[in-house]
Amino acid sequence: DGGITQSPKYLFRKEGQNVTLSCEQNLNHDAMYWYRQDPGQGLRLIYYSQIVNDFQKGDIAEGYSVSREKKESFPLTVTSAQKNPTAFYLCASSIGLAQHFGDGTRLSIL
Amino acid sequence: AQSVSQHNHHVILSEAASLELGCNYSYGGTVNLFWYVQYPGQHLQLLLKYFSGDPLVKGIKGFEAEFIKSKFSFNLRKPSVQWSDTAEYFCAVNSPSGGYQKVTFGIGTKLQVIP
Repeated sequence: DGGITQSPKYLFRKEGQNVTLSCEQNLNHDAMYWYRQDPGQGLRLIYYSQIVNDFQKGDIAEGYSVSREKKESFPLTVTSAQKNPTAFYLCASSIGLAQHFGDGTRLSIL
Repeated sequence: AQSVSQHNHHVILSEAASLELGCNYSYGGTVNLFWYVQYPGQHLQLLLKYFSGDPLVKGIKGFEAEFIKSKFSFNLRKPSVQWSDTAEYFCAVNSPSGGYQKVTFGIGTKLQVIP
């Protein structure tokens, strides 16, 4: 079945540590997105990529980095510069305008 | 910058009651509008969308939404809710931004339907 796979489902980060969240899609979609979901704040866009080797900052990109070396993959790195990383992270892809979402990764701080 | 406002953050209804969730956006140009739903324990999925044409759009599970351009609104409606409609609902707007298509989500409305 085609879809979006996010891994791991749960992730723990120590202070000062960088962690990378994986997002893979086999939908052959050009565009991919990363969102952060916090209670009472909805989804906020971190980064998005319309094509391979190109990506744009969203509304809350500080403390995060991405890469888009392959069409099917869009990993997100939460760096130590992100002071409040505890959240639910959602990856999405689209070929038109409607987005398809993964199941998310919940990141917590140890 | 575009923004999306959802007026009701938490709605509690009895089964068979009618539902209307408000959504307003701020963007002066052409927009595409969406409602997404997240059922408990499931991932976000598209409920309905408006790109152009008839401003009254119908989605899955009996939901509909009306685009009123003059009011910058895209309210979600359902005549009679069911317990299975308990979920969180997100309004979203897609518009051009520096040559890219940018999507902005509202903060979501949690709907609880009481049997």
